Amino acid sequence: KAGVTQTPRYLIKTRGQQVTLSCSPISGHRSVSWYQQTPGQGLQFLFEYFSETQRNKGNFPGRFSGRQFSNSRSEMNVSTLELGDSALYLCASSLGQGFSYSYEQYFGPGTRLTVT
Amino acid sequence: AQTVTQSQPEMSVQEAETVTLSCTYDTSESDYYLFWYKQPPSRQMILVIRQEAYKQQNATENRFSVNFQKAAKSFSLKISDSQLGDAAMYFCAYRSVGGSEKLVFGKGTKLTVNP
Repeated sequence: KAGVTQTPRYLIKTRGQQVTLSCSPISGHRSVSWYQQTPGQGLQFLFEYFSETQRNKGNFPGRFSGRQFSNSRSEMNVSTLELGDSALYLCASSLGQGFSYSYEQYFGPGTRLTVT
Repeated sequence: AQTVTQSQPEMSVQEAETVTLSCTYDTSESDYYLFWYKQPPSRQMILVIRQEAYKQQNATENRFSVNFQKAAKSFSLKISDSQLGDAAMYFCAYRSVGGSEKLVFGKGTKLTVNP
């Protein structure tokens, strides 16, 4: 079974631009979560989608948004990029059946975003 | 809100030796999940081991085991017979029981394995 894929793997953008990152979960997984990883702040939760609905959102400004499609693929968008948005953005997928047995999340390789 | 603390930014171990990574957490919830994730350099994050809070028995996965002390809110990872491939960042993570999949991570411990 193919793992979680993220595209693109690397991205360089200029301040003020916007960017869209994509995540394809493992086949059959309905939940997708996004995390931002930086040396200073570590791993921080951005948001989570389940069956096309945002189920939870972290403490990030409104410039960060996301969505999930009917095939469970997810995208996140960052508008008006700032230097501080430079980070590794990780996507994780899981079956997403709540508090049952399906609590394991599988991570993608990440998208390395550099804002100059 | 839940918090996870890893007090050891860096650790080192000799190949074939045993090392223990520390993790403490703060929560008011009685049921939850705890995880250790491994992130090798430039490689993706993988799940090492998980523990359900309602289970008293400590989880074990081959050379990896945990010491779960619920009352002390402590969740340490023991790696036995360390191998060069164990070198990585290790993250402790907390997840509530319920609908959300949100993980709360510690800052991580960088493990170096010396030959």
